[in-house]
Amino acid sequence: KQEVTQIPAALSVPEGENLVLNCSFTDSAIYNLQWFRQDPGKGLTSLLLIQSSQREQTSGRLNASLDKSSGRSTLYIAASQPGDSATYLCAVCLNNNDMRFGAGTRLTVKP
Amino acid sequence: EPEVTQTPSHQVTQMGQEVILRCVPISNHLYFYWYRQILGQKVEFLVSFYNNEISEKSEIFDDQFSVERPDGSNFTLKIRSTKLEDSAMYFCASRGTSGSNEQFFGPGTRLTVL
Repeated sequence: KQEVTQIPAALSVPEGENLVLNCSFTDSAIYNLQWFRQDPGKGLTSLLLIQSSQREQTSGRLNASLDKSSGRSTLYIAASQPGDSATYLCAVCLNNNDMRFGAGTRLTVKP
Repeated sequence: EPEVTQTPSHQVTQMGQEVILRCVPISNHLYFYWYRQILGQKVEFLVSFYNNEISEKSEIFDDQFSVERPDGSNFTLKIRSTKLEDSAMYFCASRGTSGSNEQFFGPGTRLTVL
C-alpha cells in the first residue's frame, strides 16, 4: 500500500531564507506527483506537478524535484516571504486516479 | 481562469440525515473526484468518476455514499444517512484528458454532523 510521508511536520523560518520540504513515498510506481498549498480552513491550491518521467519542475520561486527510484520529492522555496506561510501537501497519483496525500508540512515564515 | 466550484461552503446536518454536496467541475474536464479531510488528518481519496461511472473507489466509499452527474455541469456526492464521523471537509476535483493530467481542486464543503 502506498504511504506518503512528509518531513518536517512543521517548520518556522525567518523571512528571506531558502528552504526545502521533503516528501517520500513507498511505491515508486506512480503516475505523477503534485505539490499543493493549503491555507487554514481552505481548499488546495496546486503549485507544481511532476510527471513520473520528469525530474523537476519550476514555477517562480518554487522548484520541485522527483527521484522516483528512491521514492523522494523535494519542494524548494527560494527567498521565503510571510505570504508563503501555509501547509504544503505532497500527493502521488496512482494509475491516474487514486491520489495519496502526505500529512503536510506546516510552514511559518516570520517577518 | 476556470475553476472548480462547490456548494454549499458549509453544511450542518443532524445524524441520520441525507446530504448532497455539489460540485461544478471545470467545463471541459471529463474526470471527476471526491476527497475528504477530517480535521487535523490527511486528505483521503474517496472516488473517481469517468464516462458516467465510478472508475475507482476507496474503502471509505461504502454503500452510504453515492456519486452522480445529473446533468452536463454538476457532480454530486450523496451521503445517505450521515454519521458523526462523516464530519469533514469534502473536496471535489477535476482534470482534463490531455496535457499534464493535473487535478484541480475546489474550495471544499465543510460538513458538520451533529
